[in-house]
Amino acid sequence: AQSVTQPDIHITVSEGASLELRCNYSYGATPYLFWYVQSPGQGLQLLLKYFSGDTLVQGIKGFEAEFKRSQSSFNLRKPSVHWSDAAEYFCAVGAGYQKVTFGTGTKLQVIP
Amino acid sequence: EAGVAQSPRYKIIEKRQSVAFWCNPISGHATLYWYQQILGQGPKLLIQFQNNGVVDDSQLPKDRFSAERLKGVDSTLKIQPAKLEDSAVYLCASSLEGSQPQHFGDGTRLSIL
Repeated sequence: AQSVTQPDIHITVSEGASLELRCNYSYGATPYLFWYVQSPGQGLQLLLKYFSGDTLVQGIKGFEAEFKRSQSSFNLRKPSVHWSDAAEYFCAVGAGYQKVTFGTGTKLQVIP
Repeated sequence: EAGVAQSPRYKIIEKRQSVAFWCNPISGHATLYWYQQILGQGPKLLIQFQNNGVVDDSQLPKDRFSAERLKGVDSTLKIQPAKLEDSAVYLCASSLEGSQPQHFGDGTRLSIL
């Protein structure tokens, strides 16, 4: 069965600092990997996805993620965090856009 | 384009009562999903529709949960009777088809007393 682990429940960073959110997955075949962001009281928004090809994928809002098959990881990064990035971030794995399994999320707090 | 609309935004009921949620997907989207998001967890798929047919309802607790998508557009999700553990945010999402990105609504927050 597919699964996703986000080891950090809560992360606090200073505005302007770099960010890396960790994600490890378990999947029997070639995974389709996603990062979503959820602001309070809102639904999820897709930040980026990896289906195949270049293992470094660029997303919206200046985010990027790198797929490392050997480590079963798909970590999310941003070089300089803005206060508006404070939200909850979910890593997910699936068979395309269907049958997606989400991680438990990492809540990001940004301090001035 | 208008996004996925859900109502109500909040609902408080007592256990053993019934409740219904409504979802209006983006126009033209054939695939519709209902997710349950319990506090501190990621969303869990309850049911997926393709037009008005069910594609996947393997994680839907069918003894108390039901969903329908008449005419392949709007959908309702019902819980009857509700249990305390049903307290969660219920998210609706839609996509052009199953192989396309999902667009999420803002969800309905359900509290069971």
